[in-house]
Amino acid sequence: DADVTQTPRNRITKTGKRIMLECSQTKGHDRMYWYRQDPGLGLRLIYYSFDVKDINKGEISDGYSVSRQAQAKFSLSLESAIPNQTALYFCATSDFRRAYGYTFGSGTRLTVV
Amino acid sequence: TQLLEQSPQFLSIQEGENLTVYCNSSSVFSSLQWYRQEPGEGPVLLVTVVTGGEVKKLKRLTFQFGDARKDSSLHITAAQPGDTGLYLCAGLDYNQGGKLIFGQGTELSVKP
Repeated sequence: DADVTQTPRNRITKTGKRIMLECSQTKGHDRMYWYRQDPGLGLRLIYYSFDVKDINKGEISDGYSVSRQAQAKFSLSLESAIPNQTALYFCATSDFRRAYGYTFGSGTRLTVV
Repeated sequence: TQLLEQSPQFLSIQEGENLTVYCNSSSVFSSLQWYRQEPGEGPVLLVTVVTGGEVKKLKRLTFQFGDARKDSSLHITAAQPGDTGLYLCAGLDYNQGGKLIFGQGTELSVKP
């Protein structure tokens, strides 16, 4: 099993719908992150959490929300999806034992039509 | 705002050639990480460099951290088609809460 698992891998949804992307990890890492990747724009941080009670906005949090249900689970919600949220979304984890090197999931390709 | 500029953005070479990818910033980082991403997958950590002037080798890949810890380079010797992918550098600043700042990436294509 993968260390960081994202579900679903692919999703097509309609404008205005609420959608949740899920991430679970078996690394035992405290820190978890959500990024989106767009061609030419690189990886941009949406939200991050350094432990279960700590949630922080990243550079592009508008239109998104998150929930850290447990150390191992961090979900990302789009409350009312819009077409410019079409992107590849990645969850990642890290901790000090690897000098905060990230372990990424395989990504969720989201299309909003 | 800390920024990492990667160059070149795109690189297409023949098998056997050498190449260098650069990652530059005006900011000092605690460490610099390099990732490789294949289509349809998440980035995978290749190496972390921590000390100014540090050089690390991973088979045909050589990573260097600048003396001032503001820049880094990745050199690939005798590139192979299996090296094809997106290479990302990322800077870590402990003073900014330990989040990574990513460069835009270098898309490498190695043709047989």
